[in-house]
Amino acid sequence: SQQGEEDPQALSIQEGENATMNCSYKTSINNLQWYRQNSGRGLVHLILIRSNEREKHSGRLRVTLDTSKKSSSLLITASRAADTASYFCATGRSQGNLIFGKGTKLSVKP
Amino acid sequence: EAGVAQSPRYKIIEKRQSVAFWCNPISGHATLYWYQQILGQGPKLLIQFQNNGVVDDSQLPKDRFSAERLKGVDSTLKIQPAKLEDSAVYLCASSLDPPDTQYFGPGTRLTVL
Repeated sequence: SQQGEEDPQALSIQEGENATMNCSYKTSINNLQWYRQNSGRGLVHLILIRSNEREKHSGRLRVTLDTSKKSSSLLITASRAADTASYFCATGRSQGNLIFGKGTKLSVKP
Repeated sequence: EAGVAQSPRYKIIEKRQSVAFWCNPISGHATLYWYQQILGQGPKLLIQFQNNGVVDDSQLPKDRFSAERLKGVDSTLKIQPAKLEDSAVYLCASSLDPPDTQYFGPGTRLTVL
């Protein structure tokens, strides 16, 4: 079963714009992670935020976590064509395995 | 540092045949995971190993799927017999310490005809 639900399912923006993706989940978590998957390739880890953290930054990425609302958001600033990919949120359980959502397809047009 | 290796990259079989996938995790990673990713969906965990012991196989269809991790390093995932709905990408991942970052291999794309 899938725990996370990403919103929107698809997003199309112009290069240079910001992209925001949201994730909601159902049960308590140990951490929440965001992954990127380019067409036909494996998953690449982007950022991990622990359940006791509220915000985290990594380069052009900003992640927020609201455990009271069971939601997270991923912001990509100044997007590039190379950011075109599917983005998945995954909730981390205590034993380490992940439950993934269905993903958001981001298209960045040059 | 070498990443997670998987083979084969692609496999086409007919239903009721058997198939096996191989994974070599990053050196020193104690935890290994197998995920199934059906087109248009996120990956779903099939089985998690810690060294050569099983931590979680609650979503592994045990009547047809089996997995082993001999000597706590390489792992194989087998499907026997395959069904049409098994068509998917099978991803292997490894991590140093759970719960933490998982590193994924390129996956094996299985097509069952």
